[in-house]
Amino acid sequence: AQKITQTQPGMFVQEKEAVTLDCTYDTSDPSYGLFWYKQPSSGEMIFLIYQGSYDQQNATEGRYSLNFQKARKSANLVISASQLGDSAMYFCAMREGQKGAGSYQLTFGKGTKLSVIP
Amino acid sequence: SAVISQKPSRDICQRGTSLTIQCQVDSQVTMMFWYRQQPGQSLTLIATANQGSEATYESGFVIDKFPISRPNLTFSTLTVSNLSPEDSSIYLCSVYEIGGYTFGSGTRLTVV
Repeated sequence: AQKITQTQPGMFVQEKEAVTLDCTYDTSDPSYGLFWYKQPSSGEMIFLIYQGSYDQQNATEGRYSLNFQKARKSANLVISASQLGDSAMYFCAMREGQKGAGSYQLTFGKGTKLSVIP
Repeated sequence: SAVISQKPSRDICQRGTSLTIQCQVDSQVTMMFWYRQQPGQSLTLIATANQGSEATYESGFVIDKFPISRPNLTFSTLTVSNLSPEDSSIYLCSVYEIGGYTFGSGTRLTVV
């Protein structure tokens, strides 16, 4: 089974509108971290936001927020007030295991291509 | 957070040759990772490179094809050997530090 599932290969959003990118995950580890990255056409990976499994509140970073629903194992990224520069691939990723033990590697979803329409 | 300089940014190589990719980090980091991103696909971990030990390769990746060097805590190289068109991908290095992961800018490899 896939550990990270992103069901939306592509999304369109009107400029200045909000958009939600879906991410569900699968793990039996009680300690894990969830990350969202943006990858423009240039290929670099830009960190957006992080949510730890024990965090009580949903993470927010500027226009980015993470809708974390632990029981449903979902970690959807919400981008408010979309801008043309938000057009890119977006990847959800997970790290399992506690610090000092387990693996520190990231597992990525297949990504969602977001296109912002003027 | 760490800053990574990854070189080259892109290259076009003949099949059968090799390409060595370098990642230089501006601070000492224990864990470094190498990823491959095939066209239109997600990132797949090739190996984890920790200083002072052999790299740990993921299933489907072997040392003969992807030899990795990690001579110190700020530098690593990935060589993609005996190139074929199927190796055309973006290759990225990444480091882990408290607070998260930082990625190099990627190497876009085209094999002709």
